[in-house]
Amino acid sequence: NAGVTQTPKFQVLKTGQSMTLQCAQDMNHNSMYWYRQDPGMGLRLIYYSASEGTTDKGEVPNGYNVSRLNKREFSLRLESAAPSQTSVYFCASPSGLDQFFGPGTRLTVL
Amino acid sequence: AQSVTQLGSHVSVSEGALVLLRCNYSSSVPPYLFWYVQYPNQGLQLLLKYTSAATLVKGINGFEAEFKKSETSFHLTKPSAHMSDAAEYFCAVSAYTNTGNQFYFGTGTSLTVIP
Repeated sequence: NAGVTQTPKFQVLKTGQSMTLQCAQDMNHNSMYWYRQDPGMGLRLIYYSASEGTTDKGEVPNGYNVSRLNKREFSLRLESAAPSQTSVYFCASPSGLDQFFGPGTRLTVL
Repeated sequence: AQSVTQLGSHVSVSEGALVLLRCNYSSSVPPYLFWYVQYPNQGLQLLLKYTSAATLVKGINGFEAEFKKSETSFHLTKPSAHMSDAAEYFCAVSAYTNTGNQFYFGTGTSLTVIP
């Protein structure tokens, strides 16, 4: 039982490049979330999916797209990366009031 | 609307001293409140949560927090700091919406423990 897994752990992109961050959970939860963490700003919600087949915008969705591929997987895509998207990205999967976090992806956009 | 404010982005304490990390919340409904800890290069780990049962909540690693409705506060304390407590701490509030639970995080407090 791995909980929430994320790939890759680290990534460096050039401005304008695209990439997809992968997240998977093996806890059979309905909900999955993507956050970004920036110094002095805490965690901010990018997108979330309350169930398979649904996605909704969070606080900071601009520049991102998401796909809830199935109940286990929730991916985050940057179509044209910008330096402002340099951040640590966390996937999380809540069950009721308990929220389980992945280890994070550290992304640098040059 | 729900939000949390953490007072003090950096707190330093001596090993063995009291740890006090402050969190105030704003919520239009009875809140659920959380403290998470993040060690360097790791994800967030739940320390404790308040779910409207006892107002004094005990968590892992000797931490506890007290919900004070009159002060809209949920401060985190530990009687005696240990070197291993050095980490980033996040307060969060949760509100249930028609699309599930939404979590709102504070900006974090970095705790340094001085030997």
